[in-house]
Amino acid sequence: AQKITQTQPGMFVQEKEAVTLDCTYDTSDQSYGLFWYKQPSSGEMIFLIYQGSYDEQNATEGRYSLNFQKARKSANLVISASQLGDSAMYFCAMRERTGGGADGLTFGKGTHLIIQP
Amino acid sequence: SAVISQKPSRDICQRGTSLTIQCQVDSQVTMMFWYRQQPGQSLTLIATANQGSEATYESGFVIDKFPISRPNLTFSTLTVSNMSPEDSSIYLCSVEPWTSGRSSYNEQFFGPGTRLTVL
Repeated sequence: AQKITQTQPGMFVQEKEAVTLDCTYDTSDQSYGLFWYKQPSSGEMIFLIYQGSYDEQNATEGRYSLNFQKARKSANLVISASQLGDSAMYFCAMRERTGGGADGLTFGKGTHLIIQP
Repeated sequence: SAVISQKPSRDICQRGTSLTIQCQVDSQVTMMFWYRQQPGQSLTLIATANQGSEATYESGFVIDKFPISRPNLTFSTLTVSNMSPEDSSIYLCSVEPWTSGRSSYNEQFFGPGTRLTVL
């Protein structure tokens, strides 16, 4: 089974509208972290936001917020007031802490977001 | 955050040869990771590069094909050995920066990537 599922391969959104990118995850760990990254056409991976499994409040970073629903294992990214520069691939990722040490990230397949003027 | 550089930024290589990719960080970090992104795909973790010990490889990746070095807390290399066209990918290193004297669990930053084409 996939650990990270992003069900929207592509999305078209009008500029200035809010966008919700879906992400569900699968883990049996109690301690884990959820990340969102943006990858523009240039290829760089830009860290956007992080949510820890024990964080009681949803994470926010500027126009980005993470709608964390732990019982549903959902960690959707919300972008408010979208801009043309938001057009990019967006990846949801999870870190599970196993063996007492930190592990790398498991990524979803990504959502290609296109903002239209 | 951490400033991460990779060399080379891109390369075109012949089948059967090897390429070593360098990852340099501007500050000491405990954890460094290597990922592969095949064309049009997501990122897959290759291995965790630990300073002072052997790298830890993920399922499907072996040391003979992807040897890794981590000589100090700011530098690592990944070698792609005996390359075939299937190795054509972007290879990215990432780091977990130090915050307040310990590794930061809630951040992981990526280098710009090395775009490899194997003919």
